[in-house]
Amino acid sequence: SQTIHQWPATLVQPVGSPLSLECTVEGTSNPNLYWYRQAAGRGLQLLFYSVGIGQISSEVPQNLSASRPQDRQFILSSKKLLLSDSGFYLCAWSVTDHYEQYFGPGTRLTVT
Amino acid sequence: AQSVAQPEDQVNVAEGNPLTVKCTYSVSGNPYLFWYVQYPNRGLQFLLKYITGDNLVKGSYGFEAEFNKSQTSFHLKKPSALVSDSALYFCAVRDTHAGNNRKLIWGLGTSLAVNP
Repeated sequence: SQTIHQWPATLVQPVGSPLSLECTVEGTSNPNLYWYRQAAGRGLQLLFYSVGIGQISSEVPQNLSASRPQDRQFILSSKKLLLSDSGFYLCAWSVTDHYEQYFGPGTRLTVT
Repeated sequence: AQSVAQPEDQVNVAEGNPLTVKCTYSVSGNPYLFWYVQYPNRGLQFLLKYITGDNLVKGSYGFEAEFNKSQTSFHLKKPSALVSDSALYFCAVRDTHAGNNRKLIWGLGTSLAVNP
């Protein structure tokens, strides 16, 4: 069966510090991968998605970036965090023919 | 523009009563529709989907949803609510714009509170 991992679970970082959040998927090959941000426990904002290694689509211009160095690894990064980057970050995966997405447990980021 | 609307921010229901969480959508072409549930500080869990076929779709935890093409709706239902069903519910539809069909368009969520 497939499993998705995210770490860390929680993170407190000062403004201006770098960020690296990691997501890995097990039990499937060539998944579509997604990074979302959820603010204030409500709506989901799609940040990036990837359909293959090295292929990243950016949805929202901002100081975040994403990379996919391996088939089942998706990394969200920032060189300098802003207060507005605080939120709940969710990684998800899907297979091309089925469209439903499966989510990881999330990372709660607080920028102070 | 393609969109998903969840018209109720919050739904309150007594335990044992039937529940409905509403969702309407606007997309071009055939809609692929989804429901998810999110418990506090957790990731979203997939409940059910409609792709084609029977308009009544059954999913996890006793939930079902009814696809209504004429009303462009996909309401989530459960015959008898449990306190443990209290959570945030999201409706989503596949983006049908060319090149975007790997993305989902999300509603803003409905908070369901089941009272004992």
